[in-house]
Amino acid sequence: EAGVTQFPSHSVIEKGQTVTLRCDPISGHDNLYWYRRVMGKEIKFLLHFVKESKQDESGMPNNRFLAERTGGTYSTLKVQPAELEDSGVYFCASSPRTGLNQPQHFGDGTRLSIL
Amino acid sequence: KNEVEQSPQNLTAQEGEFITINCSYSVGISALHWLQQHPGGGIVSLFMLSSGKKKHGRLIATINIQEKHSSLHITASHPRDSAVYICAPRNYGGSQGNLIFGKGTKLSVKP
Repeated sequence: EAGVTQFPSHSVIEKGQTVTLRCDPISGHDNLYWYRRVMGKEIKFLLHFVKESKQDESGMPNNRFLAERTGGTYSTLKVQPAELEDSGVYFCASSPRTGLNQPQHFGDGTRLSIL
Repeated sequence: KNEVEQSPQNLTAQEGEFITINCSYSVGISALHWLQQHPGGGIVSLFMLSSGKKKHGRLIATINIQEKHSSLHITASHPRDSAVYICAPRNYGGSQGNLIFGKGTKLSVKP
């Protein structure tokens, strides 16, 4: 079984540009989560999809961030326009079905550097 | 004050030593993950537990829901155990399933 895959592994862009991160969850996993870690801080929750629906987007920092999961398979997280404080590592995780005690499987993350 | 506190923040051990990492949290939770992150690498879930104790190889995790405390133990530590270990409770009150994270404990095991 393939794990959670994220693309790209590293992205370097200039302030003001647009970047799109992609996450492919484990096949069949309805739940998909986005998290990020900014320099020196703990990992923080961004949002949660159940299939194609946003279950909770309370962690999204502002309206420069847009997440989609069309068709309930892979998800994209777009940052437009990128700001310096958006630099960090963005992780995606998935779990098989809704329920409080399903373990989450993490991707390797995308390291985003804004210059 | 963070909702999740880990101690110690940094830990250096000699190969073979018994290691304990502690995690205290202040929110209501349904379960708790212990995660491992190697330098430059992704995150691996070591355990998810909601009560009692789980063991996997040289790793043991315990949780006391009433005291809001969990520990991760590594027996007979090895240099390949060097990594950041992160405690991540599953927030009962938030989105169904989203995790909150401690800052991590950086473990370095010397040969």
